Amino acid sequence: GESVGLHLPTLSVQEGDNSIINCAYSNSASDYFIWYKQESGKGPQFIIDIRSNMDKRQGQRVTVLLNKTVKHLSLQIAATQPGDSAVYFCAEMRRTDKLIFGTGTRLQVFP
Amino acid sequence: DTGVSQDPRHKITKRGQNVTFRCDPISEHNRLYWYRQTLGQGPEFLTYFQNEAQLEKSRLLSDRFSAERPKGSFSTLEIQRTEQGDSAMYLCASSGPHSNQPQHFGDGTRLSIL
Repeated sequence: GESVGLHLPTLSVQEGDNSIINCAYSNSASDYFIWYKQESGKGPQFIIDIRSNMDKRQGQRVTVLLNKTVKHLSLQIAATQPGDSAVYFCAEMRRTDKLIFGTGTRLQVFP
Repeated sequence: DTGVSQDPRHKITKRGQNVTFRCDPISEHNRLYWYRQTLGQGPEFLTYFQNEAQLEKSRLLSDRFSAERPKGSFSTLEIQRTEQGDSAMYLCASSGPHSNQPQHFGDGTRLSIL
């Protein structure tokens, strides 16, 4: 399949370790945030979302943290698995429904 | 499969030709979005429909681009007189029925201009 991002920041983790992917967003007016996972040749896949009135939200093996003071978002993946290897994007939504995507981080999981 | 469906998955055409892509959203979603993604970048917003009404268009959407959603269900994106710079992945997403709900993406149409 075609590579989604050739020169993205890369995070390499060992299988079973926890992963933390960070994202800085630009607009303090953004009130809704989403993390997506994108594998080669596929569209972005929804992972988890958080609204600006929250600072933490947990899903299955994933946690999103929101720090509005410094406009920072993080995605934590517990017990990272080879199937988690992909490019991860954060996206912010500002008043209108369009999403503004960040640059993306490539997660590589090695055995 | 009840996800967002896009057709075709790949399109190769010569510069100057017209192309049209189709998107079928998740059936209960009233909002439909088009994005464009180039290698190494995140998706960039192009346009957005709520039901059949086109509510917003990006400055990226030149006069050569037109999108429709005639019955508030599927949508088409047409590019006229294609240029080399139009080569990209064109992604469709849907959400709804309320705002601030996750957008779910299709697997895109990869456009290559020769």
